[in-house]
Amino acid sequence: GESVGLHLPTLSVQEGDNSIINCAYSNSASDYFIWYKQESGKGPQFIIDIRSNMDKRQGQRVTVLLNKTVKHLSLQIAATQPGDSAVYFCAEGRGQGNLIFGKGTKLSVKP
Amino acid sequence: DTGVSQNPRHKITKRGQNVTFRCDPISEHNRLYWYRQTLGQGPEFLTYFQNEAQLEKSRLLSDRFSAERPKGSFSTLEIQRTEQGDSAMYLCASSGSGLAAPTDTQYFGPGTRLTVL
Repeated sequence: GESVGLHLPTLSVQEGDNSIINCAYSNSASDYFIWYKQESGKGPQFIIDIRSNMDKRQGQRVTVLLNKTVKHLSLQIAATQPGDSAVYFCAEGRGQGNLIFGKGTKLSVKP
Repeated sequence: DTGVSQNPRHKITKRGQNVTFRCDPISEHNRLYWYRQTLGQGPEFLTYFQNEAQLEKSRLLSDRFSAERPKGSFSTLEIQRTEQGDSAMYLCASSGSGLAAPTDTQYFGPGTRLTVL
């Protein structure tokens, strides 16, 4: 069946280091992938997205990599800051329909 | 604030009661989505609208759940005869018309936290 999963449920990094959050997906028909950040008590906040015809996309301090061969998605955060502490979700979708989310990775940034 | 808004933010109810939540999407967005999120899990899709038309419903949307978007703007989600298993965060998201891109980003509201006692 369709699923989006994560390799690690928690990740702890030192402030200033780079963070890498991984995600595996199973539906090769998905054509759109998104990373969301969710802080406690808040709704998911859009970070960055990538379409299936791309391998890499960069934003401000964030980079998303897509490896369609092994159905793997990653989010890289450069110079991680305390404000980056949150749960990060990857999600996959097709067209304008619903998104399928994974369980999330909790990122903790140590000062 | 021009983002997605949801009301109420918190709702505590007794089992068997009916509850209704409201979502106001970003004004120019014509798609509106409802998701449910339980503790420690990612959001799960419930249903979505394009304008006033309800285009897709998840198997999670039992007969006790109903969603409407009568004028293609705000939407309501009603749960009848609530059960303790309905306790969750109910999230609303909206996205644009799709004319500018194959897929439009879904922007989420803050959610409504439902607790059924």
